[in-house]
Amino acid sequence: DAGITQSPRHKVTETGTPVTLRCHQTENHRYMYWYRQDPGHGLRLIHYSYGVKDTDKGEVSDGYSVSRSKTEDFLLTLESATSSQTSVYFCAIGGQYPNEQFFGPGTRLTVL
Amino acid sequence: AQRVTQPEKLLSVFKGAPVELKCNYSYSGSPELFWYVQYSRQRLQLLLRHISRESIKGFTADLNKGETSFHLKKPFAQEEDSAMYYCALSGVGYGNKLVFGAGTILRVKS
Repeated sequence: DAGITQSPRHKVTETGTPVTLRCHQTENHRYMYWYRQDPGHGLRLIHYSYGVKDTDKGEVSDGYSVSRSKTEDFLLTLESATSSQTSVYFCAIGGQYPNEQFFGPGTRLTVL
Repeated sequence: AQRVTQPEKLLSVFKGAPVELKCNYSYSGSPELFWYVQYSRQRLQLLLRHISRESIKGFTADLNKGETSFHLKKPFAQEEDSAMYYCALSGVGYGNKLVFGAGTILRVKS
């Protein structure tokens, strides 16, 4: 499964608390991505990274921040979680071919 | 702006019947189109990409630039094809990013 892991796999938290999700890869790939998956919306890009300390916003970046201090790790932080951020979060890395992506197993986040 | 439309939330067919999952896109340049699949309790995985023009698990998809479509087809559905299918788009100058459609659940009934 392309050496991508996500932690935690499940998390329940309360509104207003900070949350950090971790994506770890062993493929040494330059590109990494964070998506959220919601019914009726498919997958929407939150943030992405094209190298260590190089990140940019995606389609739905409000309320999220990211950091990439090492090639293998891409962190997604919700500074103050809201109920609208209840979702399944997927990390992905670039593949062998341009625009091909490999996905992690997902993190199910519930904000009460 | 780039956009991918999958008009059907759910497609239910009987085993052995033909399957067509629809995908339409909006993109001003030369697109790259993909189909991704997510089986129950598994991670999202690439099914096929239009550039390779290959058939995977009996599925094919042809890019029709005139109709801006990239429909996924299979002549005879199998129960193990039941899954969520996503159409995705990228293109030149889009920085290795993908835009996904909302997805279509395919249910193959026995």
